[in-house]
Amino acid sequence: QVQLVESGGGVVQPGGSLRFSCAASGFTFSNFGMHWVRQAPGKGLEWVAFLRNDGTSDYYADSVKGRFTISRDISKNTLYLQMDSLTVEDTAVYYCAKDGPNYGPGPYYFDYWGQGVLVTVSS
Amino acid sequence: EVVLTQSPATLSLSPGERATLSCRASQSVYNYLAWYQQKPGQAPRLLIYDVSERATGIPARFGGSGSGTDFTLTISSLQPEDFAVYYCHQRSRWPLTFGGGTKVEIK
Repeated sequence: QVQLVESGGGVVQPGGSLRFSCAASGFTFSNFGMHWVRQAPGKGLEWVAFLRNDGTSDYYADSVKGRFTISRDISKNTLYLQMDSLTVEDTAVYYCAKDGPNYGPGPYYFDYWGQGVLVTVSS
Repeated sequence: EVVLTQSPATLSLSPGERATLSCRASQSVYNYLAWYQQKPGQAPRLLIYDVSERATGIPARFGGSGSGTDFTLTISSLQPEDFAVYYCHQRSRWPLTFGGGTKVEIK
C-alpha cells in the first residue's frame, strides 16, 4: 500500500532554513508527481509546491516562490522541501502528497497524504 | 487565482440526515474539482475527484455534482465517522487552491 512518511520538522528562528523529507513506498515513485501542502494551526489547507512526474518542472505558491525548493531523489524514493528565509507565517503542518489518481504529468489531485510534520518559526 | 468559497461554514446535523455542502469558484474550473475529508489530528483524505468520481474505498453515500463554478458534495445519510471538515480543491489553474472548509458537526 502507498505510504508517505515525512521527517525533519522542528523549531527554527525567523530568517532560518529547514529541509525535510518524505519517504515514499508502495508505488513507482518516478511515475507520479508529488506535492507539498501545508496547514497553519487551526486554519485551512494551502498548496505549497508541485514537482512533475518526470522531475523537469516545479511549481510554487506565490507565498513561497523564491524561498522554497521542491526536489526528489529517485534512487531513495524520497521527496524534499528546502525552506529558506522562513517567517512566522510559514508555521504550519506540512504534508507531502502523491499526485493522482490519474497517471501522467499532472497536476491531478492529492490521492495519498503523509502524516504531516510540524514546522514552527519562532524567535 | 481561483477563489473557492465553501458554504455553509458549519453544518449541524444528526446521524442519518442528509448533508449538502457547496463550493463556488470565482471562475470556471470545468470539471477539475475534488473534495477531501479531514478529521482532527489527521491528514486529509481524498473523497471525490473530477466532480463526481469516488476515490478508492470511498462509500457510495458520498456523491459529488456540479460543473463550471458551482459544485456540491452530498452525504446521503450521515454516519458517526462522517463528522469532520470538508474541503473542495481545484486543479484547473495555477496556483492550486482550496476552499476554506465546511465543518459538519453533530447536532
